[in-house]
Amino acid sequence: DAKTTQPPSMDCAEGRAANLPCNHSTISGNEYVYWYRQIHSQGPQYIIHGLKNNETNEMASLIITEDRKSSTLILPHATLRDTAVYYCIVGSSSGSARQLTFGSGTQLTVLP
Amino acid sequence: GAGVSQTPSNKVTEKGKYVELRCDPISGHTALYWYRQSLGQGPEFLIYFQGTGAADDSGLPNDRFFAVRPEGSVSTLKIQRTERGDSAVYLCASSLIAGGTDTQYFGPGTRLTVL
Repeated sequence: DAKTTQPPSMDCAEGRAANLPCNHSTISGNEYVYWYRQIHSQGPQYIIHGLKNNETNEMASLIITEDRKSSTLILPHATLRDTAVYYCIVGSSSGSARQLTFGSGTQLTVLP
Repeated sequence: GAGVSQTPSNKVTEKGKYVELRCDPISGHTALYWYRQSLGQGPEFLIYFQGTGAADDSGLPNDRFFAVRPEGSVSTLKIQRTERGDSAVYLCASSLIAGGTDTQYFGPGTRLTVL
């Protein structure tokens, strides 16, 4: 699986958009970009995933660059409850089950 | 509906003891995963089940670790002769089907402390 690079920490003001970057320059053609987050003392929570098109759901938007070497997770209106570690993961879409390979993630702190 | 549950939530044991950690996946989910998370790090894959069989156990650190899923639902992670280095949060996840982009849903984890 391709490796991802994320900043170790970021701050965001409550109510503002949080933009979390991720570099995955070695991503291959059949690999998806997944985002999970982990709030303190809880299990990871799925947020969103995408292949090459931008994606949006009720939680966030995912913007993937045209060359697919990087992506940005956008939380449009961050709240204090969005404070968590955010993991960007690249994984294959092949038929076999794929375990998730977590890095160290980005600690997002939403400030009041 | 009910999510993935794990018991116990906390387990304290002494070095050398045997422990069992239980995972109840979401009903109907055929794939089940175990991960381990040390302090300050992301979760690390241990083993994955498709139905009753362990399809990939490449993440188990050594032969003291073993997991079963006899009826294709509940799974138990077993650790023999525990060591202080086994202290971590053990996470279980399940997904509806195996593979592709199927979303994994995680439980809250079991915090294991080996004294």
